[in-house]
Amino acid sequence: DAGVIQSPRHEVTEMGQEVTLRCKPISGHDYLFWYRQTMMRGLELLIYFNNNVPIDDSGMPEDRFSAKMPNASFSTLKIQPSEPRDSAVYFCASSPPTGVNTEAFFGQGTRLTVV
Amino acid sequence: GQQVMQIPQYQHVQEGEDFTTYCNSSTTLSNIQWYKQRPGGHPVFLIQLVKSGEVKKQKRLTFQFGEAKKNSSLHITATQTTDVGTYFCAGGAGAQKLVFGQGTRLTINP
Repeated sequence: DAGVIQSPRHEVTEMGQEVTLRCKPISGHDYLFWYRQTMMRGLELLIYFNNNVPIDDSGMPEDRFSAKMPNASFSTLKIQPSEPRDSAVYFCASSPPTGVNTEAFFGQGTRLTVV
Repeated sequence: GQQVMQIPQYQHVQEGEDFTTYCNSSTTLSNIQWYKQRPGGHPVFLIQLVKSGEVKKQKRLTFQFGEAKKNSSLHITATQTTDVGTYFCAGGAGAQKLVFGQGTRLTINP
């Protein structure tokens, strides 16, 4: 398996523009997580899905952020409109069904810069 | 909400010295996981501890889970330059959800 795949790896956009980040989880994993990493706030959990259903979105900062998981192999995180303070590295991670091992497998991340 | 505090935030050591990072949770954890993130990289899973008082070793790394399941530590013996990176603890908050500590960034003088 190629691991968790995120695209794009880097995104530079202007304030006010819509940004869509994409994630393909590892096949067979039924949990998917979106994290945001900044120097100031560290790794923050934004939202996570189980079997394509959003379970906890309490970490989503504002209504400008939305996430979807239309099927087991694809998820998006959208920011509209984007603001400079959204600049961060966004990680997608997936983990297998509940069991003994619950480790999260992270993608390479998308480095977002909003200017 | 649940918080996981990790100290120190930064640690600089000479190669060959030992290193320890500590993690404390405001609530009892179902499990604790440790991740390593190399500069410019993504977090990579190291280990999971589940049982109260559990101790696990991976070569020069020793992981401990407190008796009350609210704290944990990672100790590296005789650091090497390949140990450089940020070490995160992550507390299990139920149903696969993890709450990450702020991380300890380790730098090493060769």
